[in-house]
Amino acid sequence: GAVVSQHPSWVICKSGTSVKIECRSLDFQATTMFWYRQFPKQSLMLMATSNEGSKATYEQGVEKDKFLINHASLTLSTLTVTSAHPEDSSFYICSAFPATDTQYFGPGTRLTVL
Amino acid sequence: QKEVEQNSGPLSVPEGAIASLNCTYSDRGSQSFFWYRQYSGKSPELIMFIYSNGDKEDGRFTAQLNKASQYVSLLIRDSQPSDSATYLCAVRDDQGGKLIFGQGTELSVKP
Repeated sequence: GAVVSQHPSWVICKSGTSVKIECRSLDFQATTMFWYRQFPKQSLMLMATSNEGSKATYEQGVEKDKFLINHASLTLSTLTVTSAHPEDSSFYICSAFPATDTQYFGPGTRLTVL
Repeated sequence: QKEVEQNSGPLSVPEGAIASLNCTYSDRGSQSFFWYRQYSGKSPELIMFIYSNGDKEDGRFTAQLNKASQYVSLLIRDSQPSDSATYLCAVRDDQGGKLIFGQGTELSVKP
């Protein structure tokens, strides 16, 4: 299957700082990537759809000014959590799909905000 | 609001038994269905996808789709303790390609 990577795999930061998470498709080009958030014992919640060369589409209730998404190339999308607070602590996962419509997930990034 | 429903479980089966996981969806026009497995602390990994009514088999896994009943299931034969995980059913939203996930069913396979 297709390979999607994320970096970092985990990050701890102080409240009020910003954190950038990278999502890369390693062996295919992805015009669209998706960003999810998952809290303990809950299912994945789609945050936004990242489109190469255009603005991201955010799901209802997701603050676009807090979660900045940049999809600058066909293999890289970044999610920046700005002015992070403890309630932003979560497991952030990206996904992408190659020519088929099967989505492949990155390994996830665990964010802890102190 | 398009919805995907799963029993949260936990579903407990003995080793070697068949585990049956079920999922219903609300959008009758849905065309693409996926099963993902998620181990604790890890991201989801794709097990199977199915697009057509009927059964699709891959090793110990069989996906079943019934579009008339808006129902998709996953059977795991000869269940192993390593199959213990949360299984996520997902339906693709054809307007944009995003996946709509169920809440997941926790499966526990007892040795």
